[in-house]
Amino acid sequence: AQKVTQAQTEISVVEKEDVTLDCVYETRDTTYYLFWYKQPPSGELVFLIRRNSFDEQNEISGRYSWNFQKSTSSFNFTITASQVVDSAVYFCALPNTGFQKLVFGTGTRLLVSP
Amino acid sequence: EAQVTQNPRYLITVTGKKLTVTCSQNMNHEYMSWYRQDPGLGLRQIYYSMNVEVTDKGDVPEGYKVSRKEKRNFPLILESPSPNQTSLYFCASRGTGSREQFFGPGTRLTVL
Repeated sequence: AQKVTQAQTEISVVEKEDVTLDCVYETRDTTYYLFWYKQPPSGELVFLIRRNSFDEQNEISGRYSWNFQKSTSSFNFTITASQVVDSAVYFCALPNTGFQKLVFGTGTRLLVSP
Repeated sequence: EAQVTQNPRYLITVTGKKLTVTCSQNMNHEYMSWYRQDPGLGLRQIYYSMNVEVTDKGDVPEGYKVSRKEKRNFPLILESPSPNQTSLYFCASRGTGSREQFFGPGTRLTVL
């Protein structure tokens, strides 16, 4: 069965620091997707990225970047020059076979202090 | 605007008083599901529906009921809520074959 592990429960940084959120996954599927979501203090889930397992190229979107490594089953998320508005809980997720559900990690709470 | 709506957004109730959380999507999606989010546990699926009149249990279905009489609506029913159902609930929808999942804004439920 699919499993997602986010070992970092909480991370505290000071504004402008870079921070990496780790995500390790387990799946027996040969093709799969990985997701990252942001949950700000207001509570909604904000979609950040969806990555196909065929594509191992790193992705960059502004201050956000993602490092996908199939060899280590990891899909890590880096925020460069963090800002207070980045304070949120971040979830990594993986669909089960058949995509009846998303299997979520337990989330990493990021606190960025001014 | 494509969206998933949930009502109510916040609810405080007492043990045993039946309640329904509504979920509606305007994207003609076949697939809908409910998740609950609890501290340290992430989001866990409660029930899902592949289409009208087709529903199935997720990982934590105990104490919940659902129905899918119309394609756009997927209400979550708590017949006799208990304090351990205090949680943040999310409804989600997805079109068949799509990998894009849309989440509602969440319903924060407190059962006293």
